[in-house]
Amino acid sequence: GAVVSQHPSWVICKSGTSVKIECRSLDFQATTMFWYRQFPKQSLMLMATSNEGSKATYEQGVEKDKFLINHASLTLSTLTVTSAHPEDSSFYICSATGTGNYNEQFFGPGTRLTVL
Amino acid sequence: GQSLEQPSEVTAVEGAIVQINCTYQTSGFYGLSWYQQHDGGAPTFLSYNALDGLEETGRFSSFLSRSDSYGYLLLQELQMKDSASYFCAVMGDGNQGGKLIFGQGTELSVKP
Repeated sequence: GAVVSQHPSWVICKSGTSVKIECRSLDFQATTMFWYRQFPKQSLMLMATSNEGSKATYEQGVEKDKFLINHASLTLSTLTVTSAHPEDSSFYICSATGTGNYNEQFFGPGTRLTVL
Repeated sequence: GQSLEQPSEVTAVEGAIVQINCTYQTSGFYGLSWYQQHDGGAPTFLSYNALDGLEETGRFSSFLSRSDSYGYLLLQELQMKDSASYFCAVMGDGNQGGKLIFGQGTELSVKP
């Protein structure tokens, strides 16, 4: 149980375009989802915390107008990278926690974004 | 500020025991987690300590000392498949919905 999927697994886009990444909890209801960014050989940097039905809470330094997060249901959160630039190229990973149990986060397989 | 310190890399041989330390400085503390990540893959949960002491799960054990702001992950009977990056992560406040702050990761290489 506790499977989180992400789509797409990889995407290549041109500079200036927008890219949407989906994160789904397949077998549980995710009250909270988190979005991380990870550059090669580096740690996971939390970008934002997303609670179903409310606005996402962004970490300091993360532009909320550039990284749009929507958590419309208990099983789906989306991250849209708007007007992507080469420096946005990274591995984007989502995670989810279930109702009342925050001790363990279940991570999606990640989405590798390459902006040309 | 918030920071977690762990060694950048560790090398060990198959069958050996290795300990990966983690010290933390955070504005709040609810618990310490450990995650494993293979190259190109997603992090997978290994263990969680909210209270002082040792938690054992198979070949992996995790220890926490809250007074010392210190924890470690102990891997026993190392196998080649254990070669991966290991991250400690602090949950700063349970009321923040489980928000995790990750350390920089320790790359473990297991040699035959």
